[in-house]
Amino acid sequence: KNQVEQSPQSLIILEGKNCTLQCNYTVSPFSNLRWYKQDTGRGPVSLTIMTFSENTKSNGRYTATLDADTKQSSLHITASQLSDSASYICVVSSSGGYNKLIFGAGTRLAVHP
Amino acid sequence: DAGVTQSPTHLIKTRGQQVTLRCSPKSGHDTVSWYQQALGQGPQFIFQYYEEEERQRGNFPDRFSGHQFPNYSSELNVNALLLGDSALYLCASSLSPSGRRADTQYFGPGTRLTVL
Repeated sequence: KNQVEQSPQSLIILEGKNCTLQCNYTVSPFSNLRWYKQDTGRGPVSLTIMTFSENTKSNGRYTATLDADTKQSSLHITASQLSDSASYICVVSSSGGYNKLIFGAGTRLAVHP
Repeated sequence: DAGVTQSPTHLIKTRGQQVTLRCSPKSGHDTVSWYQQALGQGPQFIFQYYEEEERQRGNFPDRFSGHQFPNYSSELNVNALLLGDSALYLCASSLSPSGRRADTQYFGPGTRLTVL
């Protein structure tokens, strides 16, 4: 069964600190993995997208890694800001068919001053 | 360049009623996907439209139906609403569904549906 699991479910950190969010997947055949940021009540916004051959991708203070052998990904946030408070969703695309996306449940991050 | 737009932003209905949600894709995109996101959960895929036809469907009952127009905009219809249909409904657009390359789906802001 195609699944995407994220941990932790929620996380509280202080402003300026770093954090790492985890994503494990059992999706086959694998096409790509994306990290989205979703503010409360808003649509998800893409942060990074990685294919099988890429093992790291950065977008400002966000750095995603991908280990296709162990089927794990992480999203590292550096020097967190209050505006980083949001849900971070890991999404894996399966290449078997019409660009099917499998979503994780997300990690809810709260950055406190 | 307008992104994905959805209407309305909020909607309140009662059980048994019917609802229609609307989505306009990002300029240049021809594929629209619909998702249901319950509070605290990740989005669940409902269906995808390309060339005015439903191309793929998730695990949702026939009460959920859709349509795509020649201008690529789309509607999501839900009949006989249940309390459990209360959720944020997201529309995402992309360029073609074949996905042989790492194309990105762009999401709209969503429509918050509350069923009383």
